[in-house]
Amino acid sequence: DGGITQSPKYLFRKEGQNVTLSCEQNLNHDAMYWYRQDPGQGLRLIYYSQIVNDFQKGDIAEGYSVSREKKESFPLTVTSAQKNPTAFYLCATATGAVNQPQHFGDGTRLSIL
Amino acid sequence: GENVEQHPSTLSVQEGDSAVIKCTYSDSASNYFPWYKQELGKRPQLIIDIRSNVGEKKDQRIAVTLNKTAKHFSLHITETQPEDSAVYFCAASGNQFYFGTGTSLTVIP
Repeated sequence: DGGITQSPKYLFRKEGQNVTLSCEQNLNHDAMYWYRQDPGQGLRLIYYSQIVNDFQKGDIAEGYSVSREKKESFPLTVTSAQKNPTAFYLCATATGAVNQPQHFGDGTRLSIL
Repeated sequence: GENVEQHPSTLSVQEGDSAVIKCTYSDSASNYFPWYKQELGKRPQLIIDIRSNVGEKKDQRIAVTLNKTAKHFSLHITETQPEDSAVYFCAASGNQFYFGTGTSLTVIP
């Protein structure tokens, strides 16, 4: 979706390093989500936020942190505590109303150096 | 919480044949069921969705059916083409989205 921008497209992390993935949207959507996708697997929810200054843990939040200081932005930090960070990370947004789809960004591929 | 199961995990069909992917869910409160198509290395894209007050929905070669009593819904693709090759994900949503594990569809020319 053109209104969701994830950057960078590719990211490399060194041992012991924290890295931050950016997700910006201009769709005026209230809800934002971070998913992790491993090769050949489905989408696993890391964190989500339904309103500014509030966010909730998903199924695999350990080793990750987020913030939601602005409606447009929901950055994800992969901390050094995440021992297996190599994956494809997808940001999604939704209006927040019931029965509405999620829309995805183009993803960031994170690899370990 | 909700549990969404998706079958098969891989599917190969000849070009022109039909493909069917099935999902089941566990939470009767789920009332919105979207389907996404993800090409290799790209983002999932919504291709069709259905709400619980509807039993079937069609959009050109793609259709989705929903059986709320049995808690299952299916994606049907007719007259398949090579460009239909991708991974397809179902999802069920009440208050939160739950995704299936995906079906890798290969259309053989």
